[in-house]
Amino acid sequence: QEQLMQSGAEVKKPGSSVKVSCKASGGGTFSNYAISWVRQAPGQGLEWMGGIILVFVTANYGQNFQDRVTITADESTSTTYMELSSLRSEDTAVYYCARGHYDSSGYFPPLDSWGQGTLVTVSS
Amino acid sequence: EIVLTQSPATLSLSPGERATLSCRASQSVSRYLAWYQQKPGQAPRLLIYDASNRATGIPARFSGSGSGTDFTLTISSLEPEDFAVYYCQQRSHWLSFGGGTKVEIK
Repeated sequence: QEQLMQSGAEVKKPGSSVKVSCKASGGGTFSNYAISWVRQAPGQGLEWMGGIILVFVTANYGQNFQDRVTITADESTSTTYMELSSLRSEDTAVYYCARGHYDSSGYFPPLDSWGQGTLVTVSS
Repeated sequence: EIVLTQSPATLSLSPGERATLSCRASQSVSRYLAWYQQKPGQAPRLLIYDASNRATGIPARFSGSGSGTDFTLTISSLEPEDFAVYYCQQRSHWLSFGGGTKVEIK
């Protein structure tokens, strides 16, 4: 049973950075997948922050996050990381990692496996 | 960026009724459109991918249709566990999500 396990909740000060991890377990070759990071502010919808097709290693970012987010992956530990910098109160949200099997099409795959979510609270 | 607009924002229906949810894209996404269900306090769950393919374990009462810019998710007969928020998502150009449709009990 494949699972994505995310790191625990964080409380951060405005202007600081947060790094959330997402560890894959339960089978499948790590590099055959793409990982996306999606956030959800309280009471709001889903917002794609960016993702990484693991065989390419290079990440792509959503328009609203180009300058502040960095997504990396460590194949040796099957772990993906999302770092968001210059935090502000509006970044308070649940952050999800989600995975799909990459089919070599060049497109990010549908997200068929999700982590449990990590609550990041930004408050002075 | 491709913008997805979902309608209606809220759908009030009774168990056993048919639900029809709409998703419109600001430009063609071919058939690269997925639907997700989210219940309170839970992560989203993939229902439909590439417009009309049910994900593993998804009941047959869920179906998707459409191509280009206009898509529909249909729930043929609502079960109590189907009352939730539904999101469409495109993967034609990176990824983006619609704003969601809440299906609530009438």
